[in-house]
Amino acid sequence: EDQVTQSPEALRLQEGESSSLNCSYTVSGLRGLFWYRQDPGKGPEFLFTLYSAGEEKEKERLKATLTKKESFLHITAPKPEDSATYLCAPGGSGGSNYKLTFGKGTLLTVNP
Amino acid sequence: KAGVTQTPRYLIKTRGQQVTLSCSPISGHRSVSWYQQTPGQGLQFLFEYFSETQRNKGNFPGRFSGRQFSNSRSEMNVSTLELGDSALYLCASSLSPGSSYEQYFGPGTRLTVT
Repeated sequence: EDQVTQSPEALRLQEGESSSLNCSYTVSGLRGLFWYRQDPGKGPEFLFTLYSAGEEKEKERLKATLTKKESFLHITAPKPEDSATYLCAPGGSGGSNYKLTFGKGTLLTVNP
Repeated sequence: KAGVTQTPRYLIKTRGQQVTLSCSPISGHRSVSWYQQTPGQGLQFLFEYFSETQRNKGNFPGRFSGRQFSNSRSEMNVSTLELGDSALYLCASSLSPGSSYEQYFGPGTRLTVT
């Protein structure tokens, strides 16, 4: 069965304090790993897609990287508006049709 | 371009009732996926529709069903509601199924079963 573990479950940072979020996965037939951001009361917002080990993508203060078993979301000099839950979702087929398996997320709080 | 819309946004139902939720995808998107989100289980895949056909289904009982119309709009239905069905139901659309196309989510329907 496909499994996704995100750590830490919650992270509290001071504004400007850089850190990383981890996503470990065991997914059959991996094709693509997606990162989303979710604000309270809203649907997840697409951030990045990574397809192969060694690939990196950047957007403002966020950088996502991918290895064969993990993905990291690095947050550089975060601001309070970066506070949200960050979800990772590897996509796999596992002998069936393709689907995303979501982790439970990391709740990031950035204090001013 | 308008995003994914879901109606209603909030719903309160009683155990044993049934409910139908609606999703309108982004214009031009033909694939629609449904997810259930709860604090304990996170986001769990329910099913995916493309060209009016269910392509994939998650591990949910048969009380959960869906369909897609020729204009790509989709509905999901939950029959014989249980307290545990209280959740945020999210719909996501993409141009087509598969890994090459990112999914864009709607705001969700908050279902409360009493």
